[in-house]
Amino acid sequence: GNSVTQMEGPVTLSEEAFLTINCTYTATGYPSLFWYVQYPGEGLQLLLKATKADDKGSNKGFEATYRKETTSFHLEKGSVQVSDSAVYFCALSDHYGQNFVFGPGTRLSVLP
Amino acid sequence: NAGVTQTPKFRILKIGQSMTLQCTQDMNHNYMYWYRQDPGMGLKLIYYSVGAGITDKGEVPNGYNVSRSTTEDFPLRLELAAPSQTSVYFCASSPRQGQTNEKLFFGSGTQLSVL
Repeated sequence: GNSVTQMEGPVTLSEEAFLTINCTYTATGYPSLFWYVQYPGEGLQLLLKATKADDKGSNKGFEATYRKETTSFHLEKGSVQVSDSAVYFCALSDHYGQNFVFGPGTRLSVLP
Repeated sequence: NAGVTQTPKFRILKIGQSMTLQCTQDMNHNYMYWYRQDPGMGLKLIYYSVGAGITDKGEVPNGYNVSRSTTEDFPLRLELAAPSQTSVYFCASSPRQGQTNEKLFFGSGTQLSVL
């Protein structure tokens, strides 16, 4: 079945540091890939997505590129802020957009 | 913009009690989902629905039941609460437009403790 693997957390960075959170997936067909973010006490919300190979999703300074050859969708940000502290989930949906699979989440803490 | 609304936000149950977690969405989405999130873990799918009158099991359906009598509502029922059901529950919905893989819209969650 489909699955998503993320780097273990927690990740602690200083403000303005570079962020990478690794995500790899296993899926049949042509999945869409997502990064969701969960701020404390809230539900998940979509951060960015990519629907086909070589697409780059971007939002709020975060970027991720759909790499079919390495089955990866790593999340990056050039300069993190304290307000980026949250849990980040990598996810995929199958070709029909019916079944979503989530990774375990990576907690990010950014210190001033 | 209400989006996906879940109630209650918090609940404590005794072992063996029953309860219904309510979920409603006002976006006319066909797809609705129930997930549970255990501490330090990702989301696991409990049940989902592709439209009114249609429901199907997800990864962890045991101990739960759902119904989908309308497009808007997708309640989750716990019949005999067990400590293993202590978790945070999220309802989500998704539109369906052709073959596009659309995003999920989440409610703010229900924190349930079974003691």
